[in-house]
Amino acid sequence: KAGVTQTPRYLIKTRGQQVTLSCSPISGHRSVSWYQQTPGQGLQFLFEYFSETQRNKGNFPGRFSGRQFSNSRSEMNVSTLELGDSALYLCASSALNNRELQFFGPGTRLTVL
Amino acid sequence: DQQVKQNSPSLSVQEGRISILNCDYTNSMFDYFLWYKKYPAEGPTFLISISSIKDKNEDGRFTVFLNKSAKHLSLHIVPSQPGDSAVYFCAAPFYGGATNKLIFGTGTLLAVQP
Repeated sequence: KAGVTQTPRYLIKTRGQQVTLSCSPISGHRSVSWYQQTPGQGLQFLFEYFSETQRNKGNFPGRFSGRQFSNSRSEMNVSTLELGDSALYLCASSALNNRELQFFGPGTRLTVL
Repeated sequence: DQQVKQNSPSLSVQEGRISILNCDYTNSMFDYFLWYKKYPAEGPTFLISISSIKDKNEDGRFTVFLNKSAKHLSLHIVPSQPGDSAVYFCAAPFYGGATNKLIFGTGTLLAVQP
């Protein structure tokens, strides 16, 4: 079974721009979560999607948003980029009968200049 | 409020010896714990988990111990190998309503010296 895939792997943007990151979960997994990893804050929960619905959102500003499609693929969007948004963005998926066990993709390294 | 804590930012061990990575938690509602291993610029890889109904779970060279009264868990790697050098995170699922998110510790960088 293929793992979680994320595209692109690396991205460089400038302040004020917006960015869209994509995640394809493991086949059959319907829950997709997004996390941000920074050196100062560690791994922080962004949001979780299940059946195209956002279940919860972490403590991030409204500039961070996401969505999930009917095939469980998910995208997250960050608008009006700030320097502090530079981070590794990780997507994870889990199965319906074992939602605690999340499998992570390789991440997208976003650099904001 | 850091609900999952890894107080040792780094650990250095000789190849072949035991590596012990520690994790403390504050939320007594946590009933399941996971350990992930992470290389730079890659996503975390699941290693091993433990349910609160157990005090030990073993998988090959990896064993996780859970002490609920102390709110403490540890990951033992025996014998340690250079390829084990990575950052190790402990995590606990937090359930709030319909949500399910992982609360991560800050990680411990393990360096296994040949």
